[in-house]
Amino acid sequence: AQSVSQHNHHVILSEAASLELGCNYSYGGTVNLFWYVQYPGQHLQLLLKYFSGDPLVKGIKGFEAEFIKSKFSFNLRKPSVQWSDTAEYFCAVNGGGSARQLTFGSGTQLTVLP
Amino acid sequence: NAGVTQTPKFQVLKTGQSMTLQCAQDMNHNSMYWYRQDPGMGLRLIYYSASEGTTDKGEVPNGYNVSRLNKREFSLRLESAAPSQTSVYFCASSGGPRYETQYFGPGTRLLVL
Repeated sequence: AQSVSQHNHHVILSEAASLELGCNYSYGGTVNLFWYVQYPGQHLQLLLKYFSGDPLVKGIKGFEAEFIKSKFSFNLRKPSVQWSDTAEYFCAVNGGGSARQLTFGSGTQLTVLP
Repeated sequence: NAGVTQTPKFQVLKTGQSMTLQCAQDMNHNSMYWYRQDPGMGLRLIYYSASEGTTDKGEVPNGYNVSRLNKREFSLRLESAAPSQTSVYFCASSGGPRYETQYFGPGTRLLVL
């Protein structure tokens, strides 16, 4: 069975600080990796995804993530956060099954102070 | 193109009552999913439907039933609601050339008293 660990439950940063959110997964085969974001009161939106190819993927709003296969990691980064990045961030993986079910991490709440 | 829609947005039930959560997508996706979101636990898969006419259990199916009415619609039913089912429920769909990407609806907030 696949699982996802997000190590930081709540991160508080000041505007312009750099961000890195950790995500580790466990699955022995080929995986597809995702980061979703949930702004307060809204539904989940896709931030970025990795299927294959360049392990450094760029998403919306200046976010990027790096897939490191040897470390089973897919950390999310942003060089300079803004107040509007305050949200909950979810890492997710799918690695098989007939419908490609997603397994989500428990989420990281990011609070950016103005 | 509305994407994934869900009704109702909010519902209060008493223990033992039943209700059906509705979900529809207009993206011609084959697969649809129901998740529940609880604080500190992320999203957990309740049921999914890989294609029209098929449904399968996810991680937390107990107390729920689903119906894939047609390609567009996938409903979730609580036959006898319990306080432990208080949660936010999200429907999602996936399909297309890279069908692994799931698109989510706005959610239904359910409170069971």
